[in-house]
Amino acid sequence: DSGVTQTPKHLITATGQRVTLRCSPRSGDLSVYWYQQSLDQGLQFLIQYYNGEERAKGNILERFSAQQFPDLHSELNLSSLELGDSALYFCASSLTTSGESKNTGELFFGEGSRLTVL
Amino acid sequence: DAKTTQPTSMDCAEGRAANLPCNHSTISGNEYVYWYRQIHSQGPQYIIHGLKNNETNEMASLIITEDRKSSTLILPHATLRDTAVYYCIVRGAQKLVFGQGTRLTINP
Repeated sequence: DSGVTQTPKHLITATGQRVTLRCSPRSGDLSVYWYQQSLDQGLQFLIQYYNGEERAKGNILERFSAQQFPDLHSELNLSSLELGDSALYFCASSLTTSGESKNTGELFFGEGSRLTVL
Repeated sequence: DAKTTQPTSMDCAEGRAANLPCNHSTISGNEYVYWYRQIHSQGPQYIIHGLKNNETNEMASLIITEDRKSSTLILPHATLRDTAVYYCIVRGAQKLVFGQGTRLTINP
């Protein structure tokens, strides 16, 4: 158990719809990262937040948005969903913005939210 | 962030050492080498990282060449549970950029 909680674990929806994925980081971690993993694809970095502020942006579509709240949990909003958005969405957390978690430089990943768009 | 090159797949017999290579010829002086693995569709798991010295922990050893242009992850006594995709990542800035990784299969 990494300590990172993602909900929901599974989600099935239709094209054109909007969904929200939620992530609770490990206790004390200030940074949250979102990644997308499509079928048989690698992990694509989407976006990073640190203590409520956006710190880095990757291949995130304009239809997608994210935020980190004062209690440090984060939400990833996916709108106007397309079939190609079906994927595993992972959240990871770390202590600092540089990704350093104590002495290991470790990002802790949740178990992911599997989104299926029909 | 520098890019990495890994073999697409590798096989190893159970109980033997698994040696996973990674090339990162464009690595710069302040960039670390990280290794993560992903078992099936679970969340990636941190294994080890290093800058220029060899590192060892309870999971693996990391050997980095003197010029830092390549590294090798060593799982000393591979078990069936080590079957996973292994990612070598070079990181200096904030985000972790994953490549395609090496699919390691441990055979009984």
